[in-house]
Amino acid sequence: EDQVTQSPEALRLQEGESSSLNCSYTVSGLRGLFWYRQDPGKGPEFLFTLYSAGEEKEKERLKATLTKKESFLHITAPKPEDSATYLCASPHNTDKLIFGTGTRLQVFP
Amino acid sequence: DAGVTQSPTHLIKTRGQQVTLRCSPKSGHDTVSWYQQALGQGPQFIFQYYEEEERQRGNFPDRFSGHQFPNYSSELNVNALLLGDSALYLCASSRIPGQAQTPLHFGNGTRLTVT
Repeated sequence: EDQVTQSPEALRLQEGESSSLNCSYTVSGLRGLFWYRQDPGKGPEFLFTLYSAGEEKEKERLKATLTKKESFLHITAPKPEDSATYLCASPHNTDKLIFGTGTRLQVFP
Repeated sequence: DAGVTQSPTHLIKTRGQQVTLRCSPKSGHDTVSWYQQALGQGPQFIFQYYEEEERQRGNFPDRFSGHQFPNYSSELNVNALLLGDSALYLCASSRIPGQAQTPLHFGNGTRLTVT
């Protein structure tokens, strides 16, 4: 069964304390791995798409990487405004996205 | 450039009632998908509409139905509401269905509470 699992469920960081979020997937015929950011009461906001193992993408303090079985979202020197829930998702068949349950990140000043 | 817009933002209904949620896709997008997000969970796929037809459907009962209009906007209807239908309902739009690598653009959702 296609599945996306994220860890940890919650992460508390001090401002400037770098860390990584994990997304492991068991999706047959991987067609990409998406990362989204979701603020409370808002819809998910697209961050990255990764298509193949070894690929990396960066945006400000975020860097996403992909291996054959998992993806990491690295957060370097985070700021309080990076606090949000980070969701990863993978397409099943065509456009149906299978989401993980997310990692709730809190960054304290 | 307007993004995905949904209405209403919040809704309170009673068990057994029916509800209609509305969505306008991002400009230039012709495909609309609906997701249900329970508290503390990731979004779950309900169905997708393209060219006014349901193209894909997730594991949701027939109480959940939808429609797409010629201007690409869409409605989600839920009949015989249950307490378990309380959730954030998200609409997402994209171009060219079947291109799985195309990222979805989400609206801010409708928060449905069933009492």
